[in-house]
Amino acid sequence: DAGITQSPRHKVTETGTPVTLRCHQTENHRYMYWYRQDPGHGLRLIHYSYGVKDTDKGEVSDGYSVSRSKTEDFLLTLESATSSQTSVYFCAIREGPGGKDFNYGYTFGSGTRLTVV
Amino acid sequence: AQKVTQAQTEISVVEKEDVTLDCVYETRDTTYYLFWYKQPPSGELVFLIRRNSFDEQNEISGRYSWNFQKSTSSFNFTITASQVVDSAVYFCALSRHGNKLVFGAGTILRVKS
Repeated sequence: DAGITQSPRHKVTETGTPVTLRCHQTENHRYMYWYRQDPGHGLRLIHYSYGVKDTDKGEVSDGYSVSRSKTEDFLLTLESATSSQTSVYFCAIREGPGGKDFNYGYTFGSGTRLTVV
Repeated sequence: AQKVTQAQTEISVVEKEDVTLDCVYETRDTTYYLFWYKQPPSGELVFLIRRNSFDEQNEISGRYSWNFQKSTSSFNFTITASQVVDSAVYFCALSRHGNKLVFGAGTILRVKS
């Protein structure tokens, strides 16, 4: 078990308010990711991190920011929530020894259902 | 750029039928990884299989089998003798050098009893 938890699991917020979602892992994995899932689009990458304070943008990063001050926590912030950010948000970690065997795997958290009204 | 296409938006079958979910990918990399995930109605993402680009062997796991063909850039998933518990959304995904995953739009599979 990869030990990845997301909080909160559900949230309803008003347009224009800031929202922070948390992803917590217990196994010291270097790579962490935030995805959003919308019907017809599958999962799309928002931001990812490859180490403490090392982050980069994904495919749909507008309106989102992230922070990683500790290995175990990766925070996703919606600075001013909009209705278009209503979605299910998944955090993921990359597991595996890497190296020439490239034996990578990805484990996902249980998701956060965010509704912006 | 990398892209994954799952052309089948939704498939409905009757229990015990065989069903194949199609996945076509695009990448310029020679080293890459292909995945299938299952998302049951409860919403979590369940890992099914990973295949790297150097290994074109097909794989069978119980009622599940995967056909990887580099010549057609496809990584199709077949469920034999489908069951109601197979009803879910299935995602195909691609990763280069073990970096971020790019997902297809998903295929909704409905298995009726």
